[in-house]
Amino acid sequence: DTEVTQTPKHLVMGMTNKKSLKCEQHMGHRAMYWYKQKAKKPPELMFVYSYEKLSINESVPSRFSPECPNSSLLNLHLHALQPEDSALYLCASSQVPTGATDTQYFGPGTRLTVL
Amino acid sequence: GESVGLHLPTLSVQEGDNSIINCAYSNSASDYFIWYKQESGKGPQFIIDIRSNMDKRQGQRVTVLLNKTVKHLSLQIAATQPGDSAVYFCAEGGGADGLTFGKGTHLIIQP
Repeated sequence: DTEVTQTPKHLVMGMTNKKSLKCEQHMGHRAMYWYKQKAKKPPELMFVYSYEKLSINESVPSRFSPECPNSSLLNLHLHALQPEDSALYLCASSQVPTGATDTQYFGPGTRLTVL
Repeated sequence: GESVGLHLPTLSVQEGDNSIINCAYSNSASDYFIWYKQESGKGPQFIIDIRSNMDKRQGQRVTVLLNKTVKHLSLQIAATQPGDSAVYFCAEGGGADGLTFGKGTHLIIQP
């Protein structure tokens, strides 16, 4: 089973709202990732969690706040977003976080619209 | 980091023909490459990967070729079917560094 699940599937929020995106995997993977994908563009890396610790933050604004409560769960907390933050947010996981030769498996994404 | 890129934004092929999707990468130190398929409204789906110590790898109806001399990667799909219609991304890296994606090629299947 190579399934990564994400909820919600769609989210519409105002610029003053606080919301959270959730991601879950039960493959025993120890690395989890958040990517942002704008329409007709490739995914762009936002955060990397390695053994439940944040290892990479690709200069993402503080209005995006990741959290890894345990090895199976990854959250992305959203606050005071801007309309340009509207995008597909993808979660991925891979078995081992070290090295660069490990396959990442993606979830279906959350389609976020900021009004 | 350095980026990988694709040559064509759109590729149109006849159903039943073979498809070849190309990708050029710029980081000569890259040692792992992946092809993903992304259908509309879905997340990227792993197709096949290859490590830098190989120049060819085959899967079911798909073959990935790696030419390190010219830093070129290609995905060949045999006997293209309507279900192959999607955007195909090459990606480089992985593990603790995350992935760097190319721009993507939209494969269109003509009946």
